[in-house]
Amino acid sequence: GNSVTQMEGPVTLSEEAFLTINCTYTATGYPSLFWYVQYPGEGLQLLLKATKADDKGSNKGFEATYRKETTSFHLEKGSVQVSDSAVYFCALSDASGGGADGLTFGKGTHLIIQP
Amino acid sequence: EAQVTQNPRYLITVTGKKLTVTCSQNMNHEYMSWYRQDPGLGLRQIYYSMNVEVTDKGDVPEGYKVSRKEKRNFPLILESPSPNQTSLYFCASSLSRVHQPQHFGDGTRLSIL
Repeated sequence: GNSVTQMEGPVTLSEEAFLTINCTYTATGYPSLFWYVQYPGEGLQLLLKATKADDKGSNKGFEATYRKETTSFHLEKGSVQVSDSAVYFCALSDASGGGADGLTFGKGTHLIIQP
Repeated sequence: EAQVTQNPRYLITVTGKKLTVTCSQNMNHEYMSWYRQDPGLGLRQIYYSMNVEVTDKGDVPEGYKVSRKEKRNFPLILESPSPNQTSLYFCASSLSRVHQPQHFGDGTRLSIL
């Protein structure tokens, strides 16, 4: 079956630090990959996505590249801000696999940015 | 404005007292689903629906029911809630199963005493 593994944290960084949150996946077909962000007290919002190998998704200074050879989709940002403090979820969608699921999520990484 | 609306946002209740969490979307989406979010476990799908009158189990369906009588509504029913169903619940919708991302509601925090 499909699965997503990501570092759980909490990850604590200082403002303007470089961020990497690792995400690896297992899928039976050819998945699309996503990063969602959850701010305190809110639902999930799509941050970025990539639908095929070597695609790079980007939004709000965050980037992630779909690496089929390493089955990874690591999230990066060059200079984080306090407002980036949130929980980040890596997820995949594998419609081609014939399974019933919509999205398969990782467990989430709690990111804390200190001023 | 495109949105997924859940009600209630917060509920504290007791074991065995039936409850329903409503979910409504205004985007004419075919695909709707329910997730629960628990610390250290991420989001897990409870039930999903590909269209009106078509529902199926997700990864953790035990203790839950759903119905899809209309396209816009997808209520989650706990017939006899138990403390292990204390969780944060999210409803989501998308154009179809293959069309991601899903739009999420703001969540319903249930506490079953």
